Amino acid sequence: EVQLEESGGGLIQPGGSLRLSCAASGFSVSSTYMSWVRQAPGKGLEWVSFMYSSGTTYYADSVKGRFTISRDISKNTLFLQMNSLRGDDTAVYYCATSDGPRDFQEWGQGTLVTVSS
Amino acid sequence: IQMTQSPSSLSASIGDRVTITCRASRSISSFLSWYQQKPGKPPKLLISGASSLRTGVPSRFRGGGSGTDFTLTISSLQPEDSATYYCQQSYNTAYSFGPGTKVEIK
Repeated sequence: EVQLEESGGGLIQPGGSLRLSCAASGFSVSSTYMSWVRQAPGKGLEWVSFMYSSGTTYYADSVKGRFTISRDISKNTLFLQMNSLRGDDTAVYYCATSDGPRDFQEWGQGTLVTVSS
Repeated sequence: IQMTQSPSSLSASIGDRVTITCRASRSISSFLSWYQQKPGKPPKLLISGASSLRTGVPSRFRGGGSGTDFTLTISSLQPEDSATYYCQQSYNTAYSFGPGTKVEIK
């Protein structure tokens, strides 16, 4: 059974950094497509970043240069390093996996990031 | 690519046929997926490739369209279908979602 569990969210001041983790089970993060999608409180979904099984990465313009997606195969975990955080980064961050680069098939429960002074 | 959805919300009765429209700012071929999200829960993938129903999703859900105009139809609305529905394009790697359509039961 595919399971994803995000962690690492919390309250952080503007300009700060945070690293989110997504522990995967039931599959290998190195053999699938992994992504981060966020949802601001009461708002819609926003794609953040994608890592292909090849290791190729893509980012939304809103986070490019500030966020970095990575994976640790030995820990079967996906990460999102978030730097220079801003108020509009406040959201629930979901990790998701898929067997292709077109959609988001399985989702974790999400972790809340609040950027505020 | 900008995605729009209409209506933004709707209220319908059990058994009604419900149609949600999603429009892309330019042609995305059939690279369109639909998700259902209930309050406090992560989204659930319903349809990919514009019309391919994911395994386990009830057959009352149907997706259609190509190019710029797409539809999600629920043929006979059930109580458990109360949720917000999002479309998502994957034509290019700047993936984007529509703003969502909230479906409520009368």
